[in-house]
Amino acid sequence: QKEVEQDPGPLSVPEGAIVSLNCTYSNSAFQYFMWYRQYSRKGPELLMYTYSSGNKEDGRFTAQVDKSSKYISLFIRDSQPSDSATYLCAMNRNQGGKLIFGQGTELSVKP
Amino acid sequence: DVKVTQSSRYLVKRTGEKVFLECVQDMDHENMFWYRQDPGLGLRLIYFSYDVKMKEKGDIPEGYSVSREKKERFSLILESASTNQTSMYLCASSLRDVLAVYEQYFGPGTRLTVT
Repeated sequence: QKEVEQDPGPLSVPEGAIVSLNCTYSNSAFQYFMWYRQYSRKGPELLMYTYSSGNKEDGRFTAQVDKSSKYISLFIRDSQPSDSATYLCAMNRNQGGKLIFGQGTELSVKP
Repeated sequence: DVKVTQSSRYLVKRTGEKVFLECVQDMDHENMFWYRQDPGLGLRLIYFSYDVKMKEKGDIPEGYSVSREKKERFSLILESASTNQTSMYLCASSLRDVLAVYEQYFGPGTRLTVT
């Protein structure tokens, strides 16, 4: 079993839809939870991060962590074609900065 | 504007060749990382460096080595390239500070093909 599981998609939605992206994990020691966005032919960039359980909102994006279920989500409201990208969840292995990434979910938002 | 640059966007090498991938960051970051990205497998850590001349193995170090002689530069070396090392290679850097350590800045990647 992989430490972090993420459905690779692809996921295709119409413009304006609410998008839900999810990851599950097995290691209860994970404390920091990140979402990275990767546009085609570019490196990933950090979108949001949360510490421990709870929600965090940034504009149209909401990150949610449920440590009891070992489940994290990223919600995108009013999705736009510019949101089309691969979204990768990531979690910290330790305090030293190493991350473990999910496989990434490819999202396409159609106009 | 923060920048991580990689020496090549595309590279084609022959089996058995020694391959050097170079990464340079201009943010004075302590940590630097090399990943490979493959469909269905996501990003996997090859090596990590938290200071000049310091290195630590990641999840898949076999067949690779690294060098960090200067803070801004981190090199990945394929001693004898093999076809199963055909992949996208991504370099990243981050601060060591506990509040910023999880924000990794990535380069654009090098797509390496070994024939």
